[in-house]
Amino acid sequence: DTEVTQTPKHLVMGMTNKKSLKCEQHMGHRAMYWYKQKAKKPPELMFVYSYEKLSINESVPSRFSPECPNSSLLNLHLHALQPEDSALYLCASSQLRADTQYFGPGTRLTVL
Amino acid sequence: DAKTTQPNSMESNEEEPVHLPCNHSTISGTDYIHWYRQLPSQGPEYVIHGLTSNVNNRMASLAIAEDRKSSTLILHRATLRDAAVYYCILRDVYDGNKLVFGAGTILRVKS
Repeated sequence: DTEVTQTPKHLVMGMTNKKSLKCEQHMGHRAMYWYKQKAKKPPELMFVYSYEKLSINESVPSRFSPECPNSSLLNLHLHALQPEDSALYLCASSQLRADTQYFGPGTRLTVL
Repeated sequence: DAKTTQPNSMESNEEEPVHLPCNHSTISGTDYIHWYRQLPSQGPEYVIHGLTSNVNNRMASLAIAEDRKSSTLILHRATLRDAAVYYCILRDVYDGNKLVFGAGTILRVKS
């Protein structure tokens, strides 16, 4: 099973809302990632977790708060987002950080 | 920052080979050359990677120039399912093994 699942598929939220994106993998991978992809642009790395610890934060605004509660699960908590944060949010995982990354289908987020 | 240069788009006929070029003139000795592709409405998927020697797998072949300043992804027989954005990425073991995506090449396959 090489599947990374992400929920929800679509999310619409207001600027004052708090919501969370969820990512799950059952491949035993110890590295997990969040990427942001704007329309017709390439994915941009946001966060990297290795062995459930945050190892890279690419200067992401604090309104995005990642969490890795266990080795299979990665969350992205959203609060006070701006319309320009509307994008496809992709989760990925890999055995270790040097290994091939497997991507989920993404959550399409719209901020009104 | 992305360290690769790829054509914006390419077109191929179905059942014919496709050669997707990538220039990476500033490649360092510790950079691995990775290719991912992103089909419409999906997340990226791994295609192939290499360091110095040419590589083959069930999806594609990767030809790496002797000076490593360029590489070519070869799809031996393009199908309509291969229509995607193809990303050539240099992955540095000393920069956290991060995947830094460039603009990629949009591959269109005609039937």
